[in-house]
Amino acid sequence: QVQLVESGGGLVKPGGSLRLSCVVSGFTFSDYYMAWVRQAPGKGLEWVAYITGNSIYTNYGDSMKGRFTISRDNGKNTLYLQMDSLRAEDTAVYYCARWGVAFDYWGQGTPVTVSS
Amino acid sequence: VALTQSPGTLSLSPGERATLSCRASQSVTGNYLAWYQQKRGQAPRLLIHGASRRATGIPDRFSGSGSGTDFTLTINRLEPEDFAVYYCQQYGASLTFGGGTTVESK
Repeated sequence: QVQLVESGGGLVKPGGSLRLSCVVSGFTFSDYYMAWVRQAPGKGLEWVAYITGNSIYTNYGDSMKGRFTISRDNGKNTLYLQMDSLRAEDTAVYYCARWGVAFDYWGQGTPVTVSS
Repeated sequence: VALTQSPGTLSLSPGERATLSCRASQSVTGNYLAWYQQKRGQAPRLLIHGASRRATGIPDRFSGSGSGTDFTLTINRLEPEDFAVYYCQQYGASLTFGGGTTVESK
C-alpha cells in the first residue's frame, strides 16, 4: 500500500535551518510529482513547493522562494525540503503529498517550530 | 488564482445535506479542482478531483460539481464522521488552497 512518512521536524531558532525528509513506498516514486504542504497552528493549508518526477522543474509558494529548496532522490524513494532562514511564521505541520490525481496520498506530517 | 470558500462554518445535523461553495478569481484551468476533508489532528484526505470525480473509496454521498469559477461540494445525508473541515484546491495553474469550510454538528 502507498505510504509517505515524514521526518526531520523539530524546534529551531529564527534564522536557522532544517531539512525535512519524506520516505515513500508502495508506488513508483519517479513517476509522480511530489509536493510539500504546510499548516500553521489553527490555520488552513498552504502549498510550499512541488517537484516533477525527474527533478527538472520545481516551484515554490511566494513566501518560500529563495529560502526553501525541494529536492528528491529517486534511488532512495525520498523527498526533501531544505528550509533556511527560518522565521516564526514558518511554524507549522509540514506534510508531503503525492501529486497523482490531485494530492491523492499524504503523510502524517512533521511539526516544525521556529522560536528563540 | 485565489479561491474563496463559503460559508466559513456550516452548522447542520446528521442526516441533513451540506452544500459548500468554492469560488475562483479566474477560470480554473481544465476544471482541475479538488476537495479535501481534514479531521482534527489528521492529514487531509482527497475526496473529489477534476471537479466531480470521486477519489478511490469515497462514499457516494459526496459529490462535486461546477466549472469555470464556481464549484460546489455536496454531502448528502451527513454522517457523524463527516463533521470536519473541507478545503478546495485548484491545481490547473500552479496551486492554491481555499481557506476552508468547517462543517460542525448543530
